[in-house]
Amino acid sequence: SQTIHQWPATLVQPVGSPLSLECTVEGTSNPNLYWYRQAAGRGLQLLFYSVGIGQISSEVPQNLSASRPQDRQFILSSKKLLLSDSGFYLCAWSRGGAGNTIYFGEGSWLTVV
Amino acid sequence: KQEVTQIPAALSVPEGENLVLNCSFTDSAIYNLQWFRQDPGKGLTSLLLIQSSQREQTSGRLNASLDKSSGRSTLYIAASQPGDSATYLCAAYPGGATNKLIFGTGTLLAVQP
Repeated sequence: SQTIHQWPATLVQPVGSPLSLECTVEGTSNPNLYWYRQAAGRGLQLLFYSVGIGQISSEVPQNLSASRPQDRQFILSSKKLLLSDSGFYLCAWSRGGAGNTIYFGEGSWLTVV
Repeated sequence: KQEVTQIPAALSVPEGENLVLNCSFTDSAIYNLQWFRQDPGKGLTSLLLIQSSQREQTSGRLNASLDKSSGRSTLYIAASQPGDSATYLCAAYPGGATNKLIFGTGTLLAVQP
């Protein structure tokens, strides 16, 4: 069966510090990978998606970047965090192609202070 | 631009009651629609996926329907239990090469024992 792991679960970082959130998927190959952010009262916002190694698409301009160094590894990064980067970050995967069920990780709570 | 709305934002029912959660979308040209459950502070769990060619999907006490012409989907929960308490989100997939879902802001369900 497939599983998705995301860490760290919670993170408190000062403004201007770097960020690295990591996500890995097991039990499948060549998945589509996603990073979403969930802010209070605003629903889920797609930040990045990837259909393969090194193939990253950004949905919104922001202070964040994503990388996919391996087939089943997806990393969300920032060089300098802003207060507005605080939120709940969710990694997700789906089988390759379109219209497939999306499976989410447990999420990472980021508080920028 | 596709917009997804969920009304009501919150709902409280006594245990054992049957209930319906509503999801509306503005563009009927969707590929599929997914329903998710989110427990407080956790990631999303996929409940049901309805393809555009389908009218409904069932899983246990859950039944989801889709009416593309009216831009509506409903999630029916039979014989509700306190363990059903969570936020329920619907997401429309408009089509394309990747699963770029458009999420509603969710309905917070509380089932009172």
